[in-house]
Amino acid sequence: EPEVTQTPSHQVTQMGQEVILRCVPISNHLYFYWYRQILGQKVEFLVSFYNNEISEKSEIFDDQFSVERPDGSNFTLKIRSTKLEDSAMYFCASRERGVNTEAFFGQGTRLTVV
Amino acid sequence: LAKTTQPISMDSYEGQEVNITCSHNNIATNDYITWYQQFPSQGPRFIIQGYKTKVTNEVASLFIPADRKSSTLSLPRVSLSDTAVYYCLVGVYSGGGADGLTFGKGTHLIIQP
Repeated sequence: EPEVTQTPSHQVTQMGQEVILRCVPISNHLYFYWYRQILGQKVEFLVSFYNNEISEKSEIFDDQFSVERPDGSNFTLKIRSTKLEDSAMYFCASRERGVNTEAFFGQGTRLTVV
Repeated sequence: LAKTTQPISMDSYEGQEVNITCSHNNIATNDYITWYQQFPSQGPRFIIQGYKTKVTNEVASLFIPADRKSSTLSLPRVSLSDTAVYYCLVGVYSGGGADGLTFGKGTHLIIQP
């Protein structure tokens, strides 16, 4: 079964450092997403990406965050200057074309900011 | 998106049928009802989706009454591995891809031997 792949599985970084989280969505999917989940809390939408541009972003996705699809397969989330409160699981997801199509999530990257 | 209400937690035993009900009183005409499952330290996984009446797949059934103000996810003969958080989502996610999913707190289902 095709799957969304995320790397690394765990990243520890110092406060103020930049991090890049990487995702390889399912190959024929067109819509890409990042979500985060702070430990013990609900899954929160960050940003959606379609046709090489951001479609929608939440209030969480401020100027410290950026996304990119540098080539035909990778989808990245960059946090420019990490804060302690950025510690969370970050999930990448992708969907194929269509209304209400199923979102496939990756296994997540656990980001720990110290 | 319609607000959803579901129990915070439920307990059951292996081999039992489990029904998790979600209330969505202000569901809109075009809204679909979708359930996701999440195991600890993993991303959510799609289980089932429906609009009205009953939908069944190899994993679960989804019952939606005529007024669509609630829905029930039914898991037949659960096992320990069904212990997870189950999320009910209501809305319409357009083909434009602009809609991020809105997750609530979900129902933490615990299956005991």
